[in-house]
Amino acid sequence: EPEVTQTPSHQVTQMGQEVILRCVPISNHLYFYWYRQILGQKVEFLVSFYNNEISEKSEIFDDQFSVERPDGSNFTLKIRSTKLEDSAMYFCASSSGGGRGANVLTFGAGSRLTVL
Amino acid sequence: AQSVTQLDSQVPVFEEAPVELRCNYSSSVSVYLFWYVQYPNQGLQLLLKYLSGSTLVESINGFEAEFNKSQTSFHLRKPSVHISDTAEYFCAVSESSNQGGKLIFGQGTELSVKP
Repeated sequence: EPEVTQTPSHQVTQMGQEVILRCVPISNHLYFYWYRQILGQKVEFLVSFYNNEISEKSEIFDDQFSVERPDGSNFTLKIRSTKLEDSAMYFCASSSGGGRGANVLTFGAGSRLTVL
Repeated sequence: AQSVTQLDSQVPVFEEAPVELRCNYSSSVSVYLFWYVQYPNQGLQLLLKYLSGSTLVESINGFEAEFNKSQTSFHLRKPSVHISDTAEYFCAVSESSNQGGKLIFGQGTELSVKP
């Protein structure tokens, strides 16, 4: 079964450092998403991406965050200057375009970010 | 805007007992409804979904959920749970008119099945 792949599985970084989380969505999917889950809290939407641009973003997704699809297969989340409160599990997801299939998201296993 | 409320943060049950995990949603537009499961140290996996048609939907491992529009609920049930069902369960909604629309998740319910 096709799957969404995320790397790294765990990253530890110092506050103020830049972090890039990588995702390989399912190959024929057109919509891409990033979510985060702070330990013990709900899964929160960060951003959705379609046709090489952001289609929607939450208030959490401020100027320190950016997304990119650099080469047609990878989908990255960059955090420019990490803060302690960015420590969380970050999930990438993708879905297919067209009709009702668009709303069924497939998630990756997550990248755990620890900011010290 | 949509919101999802999962009324129980933790549900402990004994093996082979029935279980119901409650989910209520709020939305001014038509929605799709989902249950995702997160096993320990793993990602989110789709358990079942309601898009249209029959209001009762089933998963391959014995869970079922019923869409109740009048009560804005989508409770998850299983008549007899196994130890392996221990996981966190998330209810989610998305706007049905938005093709690439985001999912909004509830707070999650931790199901703990004891022998």
